[in-house]
Amino acid sequence: DAGVIQSPRHEVTEMGQEVTLRCKPISGHNSLFWYRQTMMRGLELLIYFNNNVPIDDSGMPEDRFSAKMPNASFSTLKIQPSEPRDSAVYFCASRLNSGRAYNEQFFGPGTRLTVL
Amino acid sequence: DAKTTQPPSMDCAEGRAANLPCNHSTISGNEYVYWYRQIHSQGPQYIIHGLKNNETNEMASLIITEDRKSSTLILPHATLRDTAVYYCISAGNTPLVFGKGTRLSVIA
Repeated sequence: DAGVIQSPRHEVTEMGQEVTLRCKPISGHNSLFWYRQTMMRGLELLIYFNNNVPIDDSGMPEDRFSAKMPNASFSTLKIQPSEPRDSAVYFCASRLNSGRAYNEQFFGPGTRLTVL
Repeated sequence: DAKTTQPPSMDCAEGRAANLPCNHSTISGNEYVYWYRQIHSQGPQYIIHGLKNNETNEMASLIITEDRKSSTLILPHATLRDTAVYYCISAGNTPLVFGKGTRLSVIA
């Protein structure tokens, strides 16, 4: 298995532009998580899905952020409009909701976003 | 906020055992202790987890005290590639909350 796949790996954009981050979870996994990591705030959970349904989006900073999971193999995180304070590394992770290791999450390589 | 307490940094000589402590004094009965690590610029990686018994896998050993209020992750023979931030997390069927972790530096 290729693991969790994220694209793009790096994104540089200007303030006010729309940014779309993409994630392909591990095949067969039931849950998908979006995290954001900055030096100041560490690794923060933004939103997670169970069986393609958003369960908890309380970590989404504001209405400029939205996430979708149209099917079991694809999710997007969109920022519109983007701001310099959105600059961070965004990680996607997936999990198989069964067995002993319920919270064994598999993380992707991340997308490093820079908003100028 | 994270429900665990870890030292911010530790050093370990290459080839020696690295013992990383974690305090989780408010852990609930149905919560496990999970350990992840994050090597520079990569996504976090699952290491091991346990409920109350000691656990061992190919990467590490986890020792949990009898009262479950603290635990220790042991890397038996640390290598330079083990240099990373190590996160200790207590969680049940809820999403993981990552704290600041311990930055382990393995020194040649």
